Amino acid sequence: DADVTQTPRNRITKTGKRIMLECSQTKGHDRMYWYRQDPGLGLRLIYYSFDVKDINKGEISDGYSVSRQAQAKFSLSLESAIPNQTALYFCATSDPGLARFNEQFFGPGTRLTVL
Amino acid sequence: AQSVTQLGSHVSVSEGALVLLRCNYSSSVPPYLFWYVQYPNQGLQLLLKYTSAATLVKGINGFEAEFKKSETSFHLTKPSAHMSDAAEYFCAVSGLGSGGGADGLTFGKGTHLIIQP
Repeated sequence: DADVTQTPRNRITKTGKRIMLECSQTKGHDRMYWYRQDPGLGLRLIYYSFDVKDINKGEISDGYSVSRQAQAKFSLSLESAIPNQTALYFCATSDPGLARFNEQFFGPGTRLTVL
Repeated sequence: AQSVTQLGSHVSVSEGALVLLRCNYSSSVPPYLFWYVQYPNQGLQLLLKYTSAATLVKGINGFEAEFKKSETSFHLTKPSAHMSDAAEYFCAVSGLGSGGGADGLTFGKGTHLIIQP
């Protein structure tokens, strides 16, 4: 079984709709991250969380919100989706025991299309 | 602030030839460096990492990378390319950001490796 899972894997939605992407992990890591990948731009950090009560904005948080429901679950929401949020979204985790290295473990990604 | 530059958005090599993917970084503190690979329609998989131990790092699938502080580089190499190496490769850096090093990785824009038969 995968250690980091993301649902849905693919989603097509319309402009203005609210959408939630979910991430679950069985690695027991406290730290979780959301990135988006755009062709030619690599991955950019949206939000990250060190624990349930600690949420931090990343490089491109505008238009997004997150919820850390439990140590194992970290959700990303688009309150009102717009076409330029069409991208591949990745969830990642890292082990606090290796915090100074910040090696991250990635989920399979969610491909989101906003029409 | 830290940044990563990957030279060449696309690199094409013949099967059996040397693979060289370039990565240069900037960081105000000693960096930790990573190469990830993304196969089509899949997530990111760690190839190798530099964490200040040996400067020559060996990874999975025959890849290795050498950390050169004087050149601020961490180029990825493989002596002989296989068709199965065709993928997107990302170099990433982690350093002491506002979150004490845990505030996310900074990625390069990626290099698409094409293997010619």
